[in-house]
Amino acid sequence: KQEVTQIPAALSVPEGENLVLNCSFTDSAIYNLQWFRQDPGKGLTSLLLIQSSQREQTSGRLNASLDKSSGRSTLYIAASQPGDSATYLCAVTRNAGGTSYGKLTFGQGTILTVHP
Amino acid sequence: EAQVTQNPRYLITVTGKKLTVTCSQNMNHEYMSWYRQDPGLGLRQIYYSMNVEVTDKGDVPEGYKVSRKEKRNFPLILESPSPNQTSLYFCASSLLGLRFYNEQFFGPGTRLTVL
Repeated sequence: KQEVTQIPAALSVPEGENLVLNCSFTDSAIYNLQWFRQDPGKGLTSLLLIQSSQREQTSGRLNASLDKSSGRSTLYIAASQPGDSATYLCAVTRNAGGTSYGKLTFGQGTILTVHP
Repeated sequence: EAQVTQNPRYLITVTGKKLTVTCSQNMNHEYMSWYRQDPGLGLRQIYYSMNVEVTDKGDVPEGYKVSRKEKRNFPLILESPSPNQTSLYFCASSLLGLRFYNEQFFGPGTRLTVL
C-alpha cells in the first residue's frame, strides 16, 4: 500500500526566506506526483504536477523536483511571502495499469507560516 | 465561471439517516473523485470515476456509494451514516484523469457531522 509522508509537519519562517518542503513515498510505481496548496477552510489548489519521467517542474517562485527511484520529491519556494502561508500537500498517482491511475494518495501536509 | 460545486456545505444529521452530498462540475471533465479529510489522517480518496458509468474504489470506500449517470454530476451517498463518517468531504474533477498533465479542481468542501 502506498504511503506518503511529508516533512516537516509545520514550518515557520520570516518573509523573504527560501524554503524546501519534503515529500516521500514508499512505492515508486507512480504515474505522477502533484503538489497542492490548501488555505484554511478552503479546498485544494493544484500548484505543480510532475510526470514520473520528469525531474522537475517550475511555476513562478515554485520549483518541484522528483526522484522516483528514491521515492522523494521536494517543493522549493523562493523568496517566501506572507501570502504563501497555507498547508502544502503532495499526492501521488499509482501506476499499475487499468483504472488505477485514478487513485491518488496524499501526504498529511506541511503547515507553512511566513511572518512579516 | 469554471467550478466544482458541492451541496450542502454543512450538514448535521443522525446515525442511520440516509443522505446524499451532491457534486457538480461545469467544465465537461471526465474524471471526478471524492475525498475525506480528517485531522491526523490527511486526505483520503473514497471513490473516483474515470467517466460516465465508470467508478472505482479509492482507499476508504466502506460505507459510501457513488454513481455517475451523467458527466457533470457525481453524488456521494451515505446509506446509513455513522459517527465515524463525521468529516470534511471534498469533490474534485479534472479533464482527462490523473494520468495526464491536467489540473485537478476541488470543490469548497462539505462539513458533515453525524450524531
